[in-house]
Amino acid sequence: GAVVSQHPSRVICKSGTSVKIECRSLDFQATTMFWYRQFPKQSLMLMATSNEGSKATYEQGVEKDKFLINHASLTLSTLTVTSAHPEDSSFYICSHPVRYGYTFGSGTRLTVV
Amino acid sequence: DQQVKQNSPSLSVQEGRISILNCDYTNSMFDYFLWYKKYPAEGPTFLISISSIKDKNEDGRFTVFLNKSAKHLSLHIVPSQPGDSAVYFCAASPQGGSEKLVFGKGTKLTVNP
Repeated sequence: GAVVSQHPSRVICKSGTSVKIECRSLDFQATTMFWYRQFPKQSLMLMATSNEGSKATYEQGVEKDKFLINHASLTLSTLTVTSAHPEDSSFYICSHPVRYGYTFGSGTRLTVV
Repeated sequence: DQQVKQNSPSLSVQEGRISILNCDYTNSMFDYFLWYKKYPAEGPTFLISISSIKDKNEDGRFTVFLNKSAKHLSLHIVPSQPGDSAVYFCAASPQGGSEKLVFGKGTKLTVNP
């Protein structure tokens, strides 16, 4: 149980365009979704917490206007990277807290060229 | 300020031997600790956890030890298998793991046949 499906797994986009990443909870209702980013050889860094029906909470240093989070339903949370730049190239992962831990999506490798 | 530290970026072990991965933390409020395993281009998968009320938790070949006074935990894998080759992340959380997890940078384990 508690499976999170994340799409796409890999995306290449041109600089200046926007990319949407989706995370769906398949067998449970996700009132909260955490969005992480991982740069090479770095730890998973929390970007923001999305809450169903309310505004997301962003961690310090994360631009909320650049990383748009929408959690309009109990089964879908989306992260949109707007006006992407090469430095936004990273591995983005969503996760949902479950009892005694998290369940993670499979991640999205974003490459901005 | 890194609250969870994995000081060894990599570890190489012979198949059949023991792998010991170490993790240190600085925040006394952490009371729940988890280990995740991650393959390239995939999301982390939960491996094993331990609450601060315990000093050892065992699950098959995996054992996690917690030394609260030293703020140190370790993951033992015995016997190590080539399929264990992956990046292992240590994570910590207050309040039983349901709050935001703080991750270490990970240790890349290579188990040689």
